[in-house]
Amino acid sequence: DSGVTQTPKHLITATGQRVTLRCSPRSGDLSVYWYQQSLDQGLQFLIQYYNGEERAKGNILERFSAQQFPDLHSELNLSSLELGDSALYFCASSVGGFQETQYFGPGTRLLVL
Amino acid sequence: AQSVTQLDSQVPVFEEAPVELRCNYSSSVSVYLFWYVQYPNQGLQLLLKYLSGSTLVKGINGFEAEFNKSQTSFHLRKPSVHISDTAEYFCAVSELVNNNDMRFGAGTRLTVKP
Repeated sequence: DSGVTQTPKHLITATGQRVTLRCSPRSGDLSVYWYQQSLDQGLQFLIQYYNGEERAKGNILERFSAQQFPDLHSELNLSSLELGDSALYFCASSVGGFQETQYFGPGTRLLVL
Repeated sequence: AQSVTQLDSQVPVFEEAPVELRCNYSSSVSVYLFWYVQYPNQGLQLLLKYLSGSTLVKGINGFEAEFNKSQTSFHLRKPSVHISDTAEYFCAVSELVNNNDMRFGAGTRLTVKP
């Protein structure tokens, strides 16, 4: 158990819809990262938040957004969903930046029909 | 921007045999290097990382990796594998300068046979 929790575990929705994925980091970790894992694109970094502020942006689509709340949990919002957004979405947390060990949650599997 | 190539998509090996999973990276600046393992239906777990100093890095579960700057490689090795090592292994790189991204390789599926 990494100490990082993600909800829900599975999500099935339709094209054009909007969903919210939630992540609670390990106790004491200030950074939260979001990753997308799909068969065709592999594992991709989406975005990082550190202590409530956006710190780094990767291959995140404009239809996607995230935020980190004062209690340090984070939410990833995916809107206008397309079939190609079907993937496993991981959240990870660490004490600081990318050089620190990241602890990954179990992921949310999103299926867009 | 940095990139990672994992040279083998699948590596089958017999139990108790040695294994090497190969990783090459590309970057114009100094990098941090990582190996993560993903067991079925689980998130990733850090095996080891290279930040600086000794080029031979020891990790968990008996794994080690060697950073070779001239070859731009960071190969993962284990002298004797177990059935429980069957998993997907990912090499990843992050740059020291502009430490604002992490790139992963496509993964190597290690299958340990009895």
